[in-house]
This record gives sequence, structure tokens and C-alpha cells, in this order.
Amino acid sequence: AQSVTQPDIHITVSEGASLELRCNYSYGATPYLFWYVQSPGQGLQLLLKYFSGDTLVQGIKGFEAEFKRSQSSFNLRKPSVHWSDAAEYFCAVVTGNQFYFGTGTSLTVIP
Amino acid sequence: NAGVTQTPKFQVLKTGQSMTLQCAQDMNHEYMSWYRQDPGMGLRLIHYSVGAGITDQGEVPNGYNVSRSTTEDFPLRLLSAAPSQTSVYFCASRSGYEQYFGPGTRLTVT
Repeated sequence: AQSVTQPDIHITVSEGASLELRCNYSYGATPYLFWYVQSPGQGLQLLLKYFSGDTLVQGIKGFEAEFKRSQSSFNLRKPSVHWSDAAEYFCAVVTGNQFYFGTGTSLTVIP
Repeated sequence: NAGVTQTPKFQVLKTGQSMTLQCAQDMNHEYMSWYRQDPGMGLRLIHYSVGAGITDQGEVPNGYNVSRSTTEDFPLRLLSAAPSQTSVYFCASRSGYEQYFGPGTRLTVT
């Protein structure tokens, strides 16, 4: 069965510091992978996606993610976090025609 | 272009009551879904539809009904509300793998 694991429930970083959010997936073939962001009281917004090709993908708001097949990972990164990045982040995988979401990582940004 | 809209934003029900959560999209997407979001559980798929007249069950369908009479609308019905259905409900529509989410409905069942 497909699954997505986000091992960090909550992360706190200082504004201006770098960020890495971890995501591991379990799937036999190369999956389609996504990162979404959810601001408080809002729906989910797509940050970036990976289907194939270049394993480093760029997204909106200065985020990037790297697909590493050997580690079954798709970690999200940002070189310098802004206070407005405080939100919940979800990794997701699509297999067949369905999305499977991780349990989310809540990001707190301290000034 | 409103995207995906959901009503109501908040709802409180008593155990055993029924209600319908409304979802509409104006992007002419064939594929629509309902998810529930619970703390520590992420989003779980309840039901989905690949077009008008076609619906199917997701991961957690029990206690919920859906229908899809038009491309635009995809209502979710709670037949007899239970406290375990207290959650935040998100409707989404898709074009290919681009998924667009509504703002959510926060439901409390007492």
C-alpha cells in the first residue's frame, strides 16, 4: 500500500534561518509527489510537484524540493524563512488516481 | 472565477441529525473529491467523482453519501451524524494532477 510519512510533527525555526521538512514515501514505482501548504483557517495550496525529470524542483514562495529515489524521500527546503511561512505543510503522493497525504508538519517561525 | 466554494463554514450538529455540506466549482473540472482532516491524521479521502453521474468511495466512506448530478456541484451528506464525524471537511476539484481545495467546513457533532 502507498503511504507518506512526515516524521516531524512540529518544527520551530528563526526568521531568516534555513528550513528543511522531511517526507518519505512508500511506493514501488516512481510516484508523483507534491507539497502543499495550509495557512490557518484556509484550504491547501500547492507549493510544488514532481512527476519526472530533474530531481530538484522549484515551487512558489521560494520553496524547492529534491526527489531522492535511493532514500524514498522528497524533502522540502527554503534557504531563508519568512514569518509568513508559518503554516502547516503536507506532503502527498498520487498513485493510480488518488492522493495520499502525510500527517503534516506544523511550522512556527520566531522573530 | 471563484474556484472551489464550500458552505457552510461552520456547523454544529447533534448526534443523529443529518445535513448536507455543499461544494461547487466553476473551473469545469471533471474530478472532485471530499476529504476530512483530523489532527495527526492528515487528509483522508471520503468520496470522489470522476464526472457527473459517477461517484466512488475513498478511504473513509462510512456514514457519508455523495451524488454528482452536475459538473459544478458535489454535495456531501451526513446521514446520521456521530461525534466521530467531528472534523474539518475539504472539497477539492482537479484538472489532471492540479488539485484545488475549498476553504473547508468545520463540523462539530455533540
